[in-house]
Amino acid sequence: SAVISQKPSRDICQRGTSLTIQCQVDSQVTMMFWYRQQPGQSLTLIATANQGSEATYESGFVIDKFPISRPNLTFSTLTVSNMSPEDSSIYLCSVDLRGARGGYTFGSGTRLTVV
Amino acid sequence: AQSVTQPDIHITVSEGASLELRCNYSYGATPYLFWYVQSPGQGLQLLLKYFSGDTLVQGIKGFEAEFKRSQSSFNLRKPSVHWSDAAEYFCAVAYNNNDMRFGAGTRLTVKP
Repeated sequence: SAVISQKPSRDICQRGTSLTIQCQVDSQVTMMFWYRQQPGQSLTLIATANQGSEATYESGFVIDKFPISRPNLTFSTLTVSNMSPEDSSIYLCSVDLRGARGGYTFGSGTRLTVV
Repeated sequence: AQSVTQPDIHITVSEGASLELRCNYSYGATPYLFWYVQSPGQGLQLLLKYFSGDTLVQGIKGFEAEFKRSQSSFNLRKPSVHWSDAAEYFCAVAYNNNDMRFGAGTRLTVKP
C-alpha cells in the first residue's frame, strides 16, 4: 500500500494562531481527503482536495477556517486557522488508491492540542 | 443521505472467545466497504475491504467480514480474540471515487 507521511505528528498551539499540516504521498493520486477525529469520536470528513481545483468542503467546514492547498499530485496541506480549544483533535489525510493498489490509506495523523 | 451505523458502542469479550462487530449502511447501491482498527494513540489500520466478488472477505490478524446485501450489513468477525485485539474498530463505506464515511466506532475490551 501507499506510504503517507504526515507532519507534524503532534503540536501544542496557542489559541488564535494557525497550524499547517502537511501530507506527502509516495505516489501520484487524484484525490486526497482530510478528516478530523475529535477526542473519543469517529472520523469526520473536512474536505476533498483535487489537484488543480478548489477543495470541496463538507457541511460545517469552511475554507476560511480550514484552507487547503493541493499544488501537485503527491502533496497537500491543511491549515487550521485562528485556533480555539475546540479545534483540539487528530487531523488525518487519506488517499484513495483503489484504482492502483486497491484501498484507502491514511496518514498517521496530527494530534493537535490548542491551549 | 448515506450513513453508516455501528450499533454497539462498546463490547467486552473474554480472551479466546469469538467476536462479531456489527455494521449497517444506508445507500442506494452497494458501496465499497471497509473495516479499520485504531489502537490507542495510533493511526488507522485497514483490516479488510470489500469491493465486489466473494461476499466473505479475509483480512489481516485473523479477521473476516461478510457482506450481506439483503441486510445492508458488513459484520466483522474473529473466531478467537486475543488481548492485543483491544482497540477501536471503525466500519466505513465509500462510493466510486467519493470520500469515505465512517461509523461511530465500536470499542472492544478483552477480558483475561
